[in-house]
Amino acid sequence: QVQLQESGPGLVKPSETLSLTCTVSGGSISSYYWSWIRQPPGKGLEWIGYIYYRGSTNYNPSLKSRVTISVDTSKNQFSLKLNSVTTADAAVYYCARRVGANDAFDIWGQGTMVTVSS
Amino acid sequence: QSVLTQPPSASGTPGQRVTISCSGGSSNIGSNAVNWYQHIPGTAPKLLIYSTNQWPSGVPDRFSGSKSGTSASLAISGLQSEDEADYYCAAWDDSLNSPVFGGGTKLTVL
Repeated sequence: QVQLQESGPGLVKPSETLSLTCTVSGGSISSYYWSWIRQPPGKGLEWIGYIYYRGSTNYNPSLKSRVTISVDTSKNQFSLKLNSVTTADAAVYYCARRVGANDAFDIWGQGTMVTVSS
Repeated sequence: QSVLTQPPSASGTPGQRVTISCSGGSSNIGSNAVNWYQHIPGTAPKLLIYSTNQWPSGVPDRFSGSKSGTSASLAISGLQSEDEADYYCAAWDDSLNSPVFGGGTKLTVL
Protein backbone atom coordinates (compact mmCIF):
# COMPACT_ATOMS: atom_id res chain seq x y z
CA GLN A 1 0.00 0.00 0.00
CA VAL A 2 1.01 3.59 -0.55
CA GLN A 3 2.95 5.20 2.28
CA LEU A 4 4.24 8.73 2.71
CA GLN A 5 7.29 9.81 4.71
CA GLU A 6 8.33 13.37 5.45
CA SER A 7 11.99 14.27 5.86
CA GLY A 8 13.98 17.42 6.47
CA PRO A 9 15.54 19.57 9.18
CA GLY A 10 13.67 19.75 12.45
CA LEU A 11 15.11 23.16 13.30
CA VAL A 12 15.07 26.28 11.13
CA LYS A 13 16.31 29.75 12.03
CA PRO A 14 13.97 32.75 11.79
CA SER A 15 14.02 34.42 8.35
CA GLU A 16 15.48 31.30 6.74
CA THR A 17 13.83 28.75 4.45
CA LEU A 18 12.06 25.63 5.66
CA SER A 19 12.60 22.71 3.29
CA LEU A 20 10.85 19.36 3.53
CA THR A 21 10.54 16.37 1.23
CA CYS A 22 7.83 13.73 1.09
CA THR A 23 8.75 10.32 -0.33
CA VAL A 24 5.95 8.22 -1.80
CA SER A 25 6.50 4.47 -1.50
CA GLY A 26 4.39 1.48 -2.46
CA GLY A 27 2.87 3.28 -5.43
CA SER A 28 3.43 5.87 -8.11
CA ILE A 29 3.24 9.60 -7.59
CA SER A 30 1.52 9.85 -10.97
CA SER A 31 -2.16 10.61 -11.43
CA TYR A 32 -2.70 12.29 -8.05
CA TYR A 33 -2.52 15.62 -6.29
CA TRP A 34 -0.10 15.79 -3.37
CA SER A 35 -0.47 18.17 -0.44
CA TRP A 36 1.28 19.72 2.49
CA ILE A 37 -0.73 20.39 5.64
CA ARG A 38 0.54 21.65 8.98
CA GLN A 39 -0.56 21.77 12.59
CA PRO A 40 0.95 24.37 14.93
CA PRO A 41 1.24 23.24 18.57
CA GLY A 42 -2.16 23.27 20.23
CA LYS A 43 -3.94 24.38 17.08
CA GLY A 44 -5.89 22.85 14.23
CA LEU A 45 -4.89 21.72 10.77
CA GLU A 46 -3.94 24.24 8.09
CA TRP A 47 -3.68 23.39 4.40
CA ILE A 48 -0.51 24.77 2.82
CA GLY A 49 -0.91 23.77 -0.80
CA TYR A 50 -0.86 20.96 -3.31
CA ILE A 51 0.80 19.95 -6.53
CA TYR A 52 -0.39 17.73 -9.35
CA TYR A 53 2.16 15.17 -10.50
CA ARG A 54 2.48 17.11 -13.75
CA GLY A 55 3.54 20.20 -11.81
CA SER A 56 0.52 22.49 -11.51
CA THR A 57 0.09 23.98 -8.04
CA ASN A 58 -2.45 25.63 -5.77
CA TYR A 59 -1.45 27.40 -2.56
CA ASN A 60 -3.18 28.68 0.55
CA PRO A 61 -3.70 32.40 -0.16
CA SER A 62 -2.35 33.30 3.29
CA LEU A 63 0.97 31.56 2.54
CA LYS A 64 1.17 31.91 -1.23
CA SER A 65 3.88 34.59 -1.26
CA ARG A 66 6.27 32.37 0.73
CA VAL A 67 5.50 28.83 -0.49
CA THR A 68 6.85 26.71 -3.29
CA ILE A 69 5.84 23.08 -3.81
CA SER A 70 7.67 21.02 -6.41
CA VAL A 71 7.58 17.42 -7.61
CA ASP A 72 10.25 14.98 -8.80
CA THR A 73 8.48 12.08 -10.46
CA SER A 74 11.75 10.24 -11.11
CA LYS A 75 12.30 10.00 -7.35
CA ASN A 76 8.62 9.66 -6.43
CA GLN A 77 8.99 12.70 -4.20
CA PHE A 78 7.48 16.12 -3.75
CA SER A 79 8.87 18.97 -1.71
CA LEU A 80 7.91 22.05 0.26
CA LYS A 81 9.84 25.27 0.61
CA LEU A 82 8.59 27.99 2.93
CA ASN A 83 10.76 31.06 3.06
CA SER A 84 11.17 33.87 5.57
CA VAL A 85 9.93 31.68 8.41
CA THR A 86 8.93 33.02 11.82
CA THR A 87 8.02 31.32 15.06
CA ALA A 88 4.44 31.20 13.77
CA ASP A 89 5.58 28.62 11.22
CA ALA A 90 6.59 26.14 13.89
CA ALA A 91 4.34 23.13 13.43
CA VAL A 92 4.04 19.47 12.64
CA TYR A 93 4.15 19.29 8.86
CA TYR A 94 2.27 16.50 7.11
CA CYS A 95 2.31 15.40 3.52
CA ALA A 96 -0.86 13.83 2.17
CA ARG A 97 -2.45 12.50 -0.99
CA ARG A 98 -5.56 14.26 -2.28
CA VAL A 99 -8.20 12.16 -4.00
CA GLY A 100 -11.51 12.72 -5.67
CA ALA A 101 -13.37 15.84 -6.59
CA ASN A 102 -14.11 16.73 -2.98
CA ASP A 103 -10.57 17.29 -1.75
CA ALA A 104 -10.32 14.31 0.57
CA PHE A 105 -6.85 13.52 1.89
CA ASP A 106 -6.82 9.75 2.04
CA ILE A 107 -3.20 8.94 2.87
CA TRP A 108 -1.03 10.93 5.26
CA GLY A 109 2.54 10.79 6.42
CA GLN A 110 3.39 10.51 10.10
CA GLY A 111 4.33 14.17 10.22
CA THR A 112 7.54 15.94 11.10
CA MET A 113 7.94 18.62 13.75
CA VAL A 114 9.68 21.80 12.64
CA THR A 115 10.86 24.27 15.27
CA VAL A 116 11.78 27.84 14.37
CA SER A 117 14.47 29.19 16.65
CA SER A 118 17.81 30.94 16.50
CA GLN B 1 -9.39 31.28 13.80
CA SER B 2 -10.57 28.33 11.73
CA VAL B 3 -13.02 28.91 8.89
CA LEU B 4 -15.13 25.95 10.03
CA THR B 5 -16.33 25.95 13.64
CA GLN B 6 -16.32 22.85 15.82
CA PRO B 7 -16.88 22.45 19.55
CA PRO B 8 -13.49 22.06 21.25
CA SER B 9 -14.54 18.97 23.16
CA ALA B 10 -17.08 16.17 23.33
CA SER B 11 -17.45 13.11 25.50
CA GLY B 12 -19.42 9.95 25.94
CA THR B 13 -19.43 6.59 27.63
CA PRO B 14 -18.78 3.26 25.89
CA GLY B 15 -21.73 2.18 23.78
CA GLN B 16 -23.19 5.66 23.63
CA ARG B 17 -23.89 7.70 20.49
CA VAL B 18 -21.99 10.98 20.15
CA THR B 19 -22.40 13.73 17.58
CA ILE B 20 -19.80 16.33 16.61
CA SER B 21 -20.95 19.43 14.76
CA CYS B 22 -19.16 21.53 12.14
CA SER B 23 -20.50 24.93 11.17
CA GLY B 24 -19.46 26.82 8.07
CA GLY B 25 -20.89 29.09 5.43
CA SER B 26 -22.35 29.24 1.96
CA SER B 27 -18.93 29.18 0.29
CA ASN B 28 -17.79 25.96 1.93
CA ILE B 29 -20.21 23.51 3.58
CA GLY B 30 -23.18 25.20 1.94
CA SER B 31 -21.95 24.35 -1.53
CA ASN B 32 -19.40 21.55 -1.17
CA ALA B 33 -18.98 18.12 0.33
CA VAL B 34 -17.54 17.63 3.79
CA ASN B 35 -14.74 15.31 4.84
CA TRP B 36 -13.97 14.15 8.37
CA TYR B 37 -10.63 13.08 9.82
CA GLN B 38 -9.69 11.21 12.96
CA HIS B 39 -6.37 12.14 14.52
CA ILE B 40 -4.69 10.41 17.40
CA PRO B 41 -1.80 12.70 18.40
CA GLY B 42 1.55 11.34 17.32
CA THR B 43 0.06 9.38 14.45
CA ALA B 44 -1.00 10.17 10.91
CA PRO B 45 -4.50 11.63 10.57
CA LYS B 46 -6.99 9.19 9.09
CA LEU B 47 -9.75 9.92 6.57
CA LEU B 48 -12.97 8.88 8.28
CA ILE B 49 -15.75 10.16 6.05
CA TYR B 50 -15.50 11.67 2.56
CA SER B 51 -18.03 13.33 0.29
CA THR B 52 -20.16 14.13 3.36
CA ASN B 53 -21.40 10.58 4.00
CA GLN B 54 -19.13 8.01 2.35
CA TRP B 55 -16.82 5.57 4.11
CA PRO B 56 -13.29 4.81 2.95
CA SER B 57 -12.45 1.15 2.91
CA GLY B 58 -11.89 -0.18 6.42
CA VAL B 59 -13.83 2.47 8.31
CA PRO B 60 -16.66 0.92 10.34
CA ASP B 61 -20.20 2.11 9.71
CA ARG B 62 -20.41 3.17 13.36
CA PHE B 63 -19.15 6.44 11.93
CA SER B 64 -21.57 8.41 9.79
CA GLY B 65 -21.68 11.88 8.29
CA SER B 66 -24.45 14.22 7.28
CA LYS B 67 -24.99 17.80 6.19
CA SER B 68 -27.79 20.32 6.31
CA GLY B 69 -27.40 23.79 4.86
CA THR B 70 -24.14 25.24 6.13
CA SER B 71 -23.63 22.73 8.93
CA ALA B 72 -22.37 19.17 9.01
CA SER B 73 -22.27 16.47 11.64
CA LEU B 74 -20.26 13.38 12.44
CA ALA B 75 -22.06 10.74 14.46
CA ILE B 76 -20.30 7.92 16.25
CA SER B 77 -22.51 5.12 17.51
CA GLY B 78 -21.49 2.31 19.83
CA LEU B 79 -18.69 4.45 21.22
CA GLN B 80 -15.47 2.55 21.95
CA SER B 81 -12.39 3.50 23.94
CA GLU B 82 -10.28 3.49 20.78
CA ASP B 83 -12.48 6.26 19.37
CA GLU B 84 -10.80 8.70 21.76
CA ALA B 85 -9.09 11.11 19.37
CA ASP B 86 -9.30 14.53 17.77
CA TYR B 87 -11.82 14.90 14.96
CA TYR B 88 -11.60 17.48 12.19
CA CYS B 89 -14.09 18.50 9.54
CA ALA B 90 -12.94 19.95 6.23
CA ALA B 91 -14.47 21.28 3.04
CA TRP B 92 -13.45 23.15 -0.10
CA ASP B 93 -14.08 26.89 0.14
CA ASP B 94 -15.12 28.52 -3.13
CA SER B 95 -14.21 32.03 -1.93
CA LEU B 96 -10.74 31.12 -0.69
CA ASN B 97 -10.18 28.62 -3.52
CA SER B 98 -8.71 26.23 -0.99
CA PRO B 99 -9.72 23.48 1.44
CA VAL B 100 -10.46 24.66 4.96
CA PHE B 101 -10.50 22.77 8.23
CA GLY B 102 -12.37 23.05 11.48
CA GLY B 103 -10.46 23.70 14.67
CA GLY B 104 -10.93 20.11 15.81
CA THR B 105 -12.97 18.41 18.52
CA LYS B 106 -11.28 16.35 21.20
CA LEU B 107 -13.42 13.32 21.95
CA THR B 108 -13.05 11.73 25.37
CA VAL B 109 -14.47 8.30 26.11
CA LEU B 110 -15.33 8.31 29.79
